[in-house]
Amino acid sequence: EPEVTQTPSHQVTQMGQEVILRCVPISNHLYFYWYRQILGQKVEFLVSFYNNEISEKSEIFDDRFSVERPDGSNFTLKIRSTKLEDSAMYFCASSVDDRYTDTQYFGPGTRLTVL
Amino acid sequence: QKEVEQNSGPLSVPEGAIASLNCTYSDRGSQSFFWYRQYSGKSPELIMFIYSNGDKEDGRFTAQLNKASQYVSLLIRDSQPSDSATYLCAVKKGGGYNKLIFGAGTRLAVHP
Repeated sequence: EPEVTQTPSHQVTQMGQEVILRCVPISNHLYFYWYRQILGQKVEFLVSFYNNEISEKSEIFDDRFSVERPDGSNFTLKIRSTKLEDSAMYFCASSVDDRYTDTQYFGPGTRLTVL
Repeated sequence: QKEVEQNSGPLSVPEGAIASLNCTYSDRGSQSFFWYRQYSGKSPELIMFIYSNGDKEDGRFTAQLNKASQYVSLLIRDSQPSDSATYLCAVKKGGGYNKLIFGAGTRLAVHP
């Protein structure tokens, strides 16, 4: 069964550094998403991406964050000048289309720890 | 008012019983509703979705939607210890707004 994959599973970085989180969405999916979950809190939407453009972003997704689809398979989230409060699980998700009936499938997540 | 509300639990049920999980949402324009299961330290795993008023059954799971009351629920029949997890309710507005808005989740504990 196709699945979303993410690397690395755990990333540790120093405050102020840049990190890149990588995702490989399900191959026939066209819509891609990043969510985050701070420990003990709810899952929060960061950004959605379609046709090489951001479709929607939340207020969390400030100018330190960027997304890119550098090739036909990878989807990346870059965080510049990391802060302690960026420490969270970051989940990539993908879906076939954007109909309200369509479902998003989540990857296993990357745990980001900012020291 | 929170966009999606769930009781945090824990909801404790004996093995074999029916577990009932509830969720309310604030945006009347919401069009589709999803239940995800999340084990500790893992990612959300889709259980089922519903977008029409009424009941939708899938195996041991039944989702119920009442848009007038802005209420969605998940029933788990014949609960098993392996069902012990946090159940996340998520809502999508639709109309080009694809983001899922999650509740904080209800922790379910099924004891033998």
